[in-house]
Amino acid sequence: EPEVTQTPSHQVTQMGQEVILRCVPISNHLYFYWYRQILGQKVEFLVSFYNNEISEKSEIFDDQFSVERPDGSNFTLKIRSTKLEDSAMYFCASSDVGGETQYFGPGTRLLVL
Amino acid sequence: KNEVEQSPQNLTAQEGEFITINCSYSVGISALHWLQQHPGGGIVSLFMLSSGKKKHGRLIATINIQEKHSSLHITASHPRDSAVYICAATPGTYKYIFGTGTRLKVLA
Repeated sequence: EPEVTQTPSHQVTQMGQEVILRCVPISNHLYFYWYRQILGQKVEFLVSFYNNEISEKSEIFDDQFSVERPDGSNFTLKIRSTKLEDSAMYFCASSDVGGETQYFGPGTRLLVL
Repeated sequence: KNEVEQSPQNLTAQEGEFITINCSYSVGISALHWLQQHPGGGIVSLFMLSSGKKKHGRLIATINIQEKHSSLHITASHPRDSAVYICAATPGTYKYIFGTGTRLKVLA
């Protein structure tokens, strides 16, 4: 069964460093999402992406964040200058149709020291 | 105030019990989703509802649009059902607005 994959599974970085989280969505899906979950809290929406552009973003998704689909398979989330409060699990998701069921990757656990 | 509220936050049941988890939402929605999150963190979609009722195995999900309320029922619960169950609303845009989750533990 097709699945969403994410790399790395864990990343530790120093405050102020740039990180890139990578996702490979399900191959025929057209809508892509990033969410994050701070430890012990609920999952929060960051950004949705369709047709090579951002379709919606949350207040969390400030100028430090960017997303890109650099080729036909990868979908990346970049954090330019990480802060301690960026420590969280980051989930990528994809769907074939907007508003339909989203399929989630296993997550990348980011720890900023 | 959270746009999607769940109750209870924590639930412990004995194997075989019938379980109900409730979700209320305050936003207009195009759909309501139930998801399962395992201890390792992975999130799996269980149901997508826009009206009525859906059943998959021992899981049943219902929604009342007028009352802005949905329930997830688990019949004949089993220890392998232990997980966090989350409801999420799709508010007309494509994002999910997540509830805080219900942590379920089923004891053998």
